[in-house]
Amino acid sequence: DQQVKQNSPSLSVQEGRISILNCDYTNSMFDYFLWYKKYPAEGPTFLISISSIKDKNEDGRFTVFLNKSAKHLSLHIVPSQPGDSAVYFCAAPLTGGGNKLTFGTGTQLKVEL
Amino acid sequence: NAGVTQTPKFQVLKTGQSMTLQCAQDMNHNSMYWYRQDPGMGLRLIYYSASEGTTDKGEVPNGYNVSRLNKREFSLRLESAAPSQTSVYFCASSLNRGRQALTQYFGPGTRLTVL
Repeated sequence: DQQVKQNSPSLSVQEGRISILNCDYTNSMFDYFLWYKKYPAEGPTFLISISSIKDKNEDGRFTVFLNKSAKHLSLHIVPSQPGDSAVYFCAAPLTGGGNKLTFGTGTQLKVEL
Repeated sequence: NAGVTQTPKFQVLKTGQSMTLQCAQDMNHNSMYWYRQDPGMGLRLIYYSASEGTTDKGEVPNGYNVSRLNKREFSLRLESAAPSQTSVYFCASSLNRGRQALTQYFGPGTRLTVL
């Protein structure tokens, strides 16, 4: 049963505009969230994270927002660049200890010129 | 530093054949992981190892075995491959310290096809 859900399999935006990628979760015990980016034929790479004690975390063009009451987080990319075209996964640590992550199904972002 | 390396990059097996996927990291990380990625399913954890000599099951361990050979190496074995194991396999590693452990570093993947 998917505890972290990305309901949009794909998103297309124009270069320079904002990209907003969404993620919903079902487990209210989750207290930390991460976003990973994946290019074709490569492994995922860590992008940005947020603790549940915050509602926003910013790193350059990337900002993650967390709405705990709605069990929703979003990744904003401003401005979007063609090099941002990739699959984006949100993830959360599985409860019960250990460093195990559960991932969403991913959103393919395409930034068009 | 090479980071996380995986061999082979591609493999085609027949049903019932066995094979071992190799993974090594040179970042002195304690924890290592094996994931599979399937279309529409995201990344799913198969096994992980918090330290040398320990392994634990993830979300989808059936049909797989693992060996944490030493701190650097973590292998994944398919004893009798099935078409349902056709997937892209990723190895990852991380530190063990608190939230840093959740920043995992991934290898480039092995694309496995079972006919």
